[in-house]
Amino acid sequence: AQSVTQPDIHITVSEGASLELRCNYSYGATPYLFWYVQSPGQGLQLLLKYFSGDTLVQGIKGFEAEFKRSQSSFNLRKPSVHWSDAAEYFCAVGAGIQGAQKLVFGQGTRLTINP
Amino acid sequence: DTAVSQTPKYLVTQMGNDKSIKCEQNLGHDTMYWYKQDSKKFLKIMFSYNNKELIINETVPNRFSPKSPDKAHLNLHINSLELGDSAVYFCATTRGPTGELFFGEGSRLTVL
Repeated sequence: AQSVTQPDIHITVSEGASLELRCNYSYGATPYLFWYVQSPGQGLQLLLKYFSGDTLVQGIKGFEAEFKRSQSSFNLRKPSVHWSDAAEYFCAVGAGIQGAQKLVFGQGTRLTINP
Repeated sequence: DTAVSQTPKYLVTQMGNDKSIKCEQNLGHDTMYWYKQDSKKFLKIMFSYNNKELIINETVPNRFSPKSPDKAHLNLHINSLELGDSAVYFCATTRGPTGELFFGEGSRLTVL
């Protein structure tokens, strides 16, 4: 069975500082990995995804993530955060089931930005 | 046009009542989902339908009954509501097993 752990429940960084959000997964096969962002009162929006190939993936809003199979990790990074990045971030691992996608989400990391 | 729309956005009701949440998508995707987000923001899949056929049912109590009249709609009916059903319910859709999930804005259910 799939599982995802986001060790940090809440992270605070200053505007302009770099950011890394941690994600560890457990899955028997090659995983499909995702990062989603949720702004208050909104649904989730895809930031980036990894299926295969280059282990460093680029996403929207200047985010990137690196897949490290040896560490079962898929950490999200951004070199310089903006106040608008304050949100809840979810890592997820997915498996295809008969045309559907079963996503298992981590607990989420709430990001606060200090001015 | 909203890609995935849910109604109602807010629902406050008493224990024991029956309620429904509707979802419609205009993306032409074959697969639709219901997710539940609890008060701690934990998000868990409940159901998935692929072209009106139930594919995923994640040990959800049978008080919850999804219905897909066509592949653009997936409704969620909940019987005999309990306090623990209070949550935000998200509808989502994908084009296939590896596609991006497009989420609706959620329906916040409060059971008193």
